[in-house]
Amino acid sequence: QQQVKQSPQSLIVQKGGISIINCAYENTAFDYFPWYQQFPGKGPALLIAIRPDVSEKKEGRFTISFNKSAKQFSLHIMDSQPGDSATYFCAAVESNFGNEKLTFGTGTRLTIIP
Amino acid sequence: DVKVTQSSRYLVKRTGEKVFLECVQDMDHENMFWYRQDPGLGLRLIYFSYDVKMKEKGDIPEGYSVSREKKERFSLILESASTNQTSMYLCASSYAGSSGNTIYFGEGSWLTVV
Repeated sequence: QQQVKQSPQSLIVQKGGISIINCAYENTAFDYFPWYQQFPGKGPALLIAIRPDVSEKKEGRFTISFNKSAKQFSLHIMDSQPGDSATYFCAAVESNFGNEKLTFGTGTRLTIIP
Repeated sequence: DVKVTQSSRYLVKRTGEKVFLECVQDMDHENMFWYRQDPGLGLRLIYFSYDVKMKEKGDIPEGYSVSREKKERFSLILESASTNQTSMYLCASSYAGSSGNTIYFGEGSWLTVV
């Protein structure tokens, strides 16, 4: 059973456009929602993260929108660039007496075309 | 610079062989994790450890075991490799209580079982 559902599986966006990746979760005990970016041949790296007490977080061209009542969150990449082409994973964390465990979505392969 | 090192990047093993995947981190992190990554399935947690000689099962522990004799080293063991264990394996580490915002991944070990 997938605790964090991610869509779409793949996404092609024109350079300069907006890339949007969506995630949904069921477990209301999740209290931290990071996004990871993975380039081919590399491990995932933290991109941006949000806690459920805010509805939006922006870092440069990357924005997370969070809807606690709907249990959904999304990543928006503004002015998408070819260098953004990568696989993106959403994740959710349930803190457990300081010992967190990440649950990942299934990933989105993003391709930015010129 | 932060470093999680997976010593074997590419391995080919025969069915039934015992396989060791080694991971070393140089950040004095308490937590260490082993994930496998498969297309369309994302990252799935196999085992994790919050301290030396301590281990806990993740979501897909069947067919795997782990060893953590030293704080910096976390080994994944496939007692009798099978073809359905062909995958990319990712090691990660983090500080205790970091809520996933200091989790660092290695570059992955590609295992093919023939």
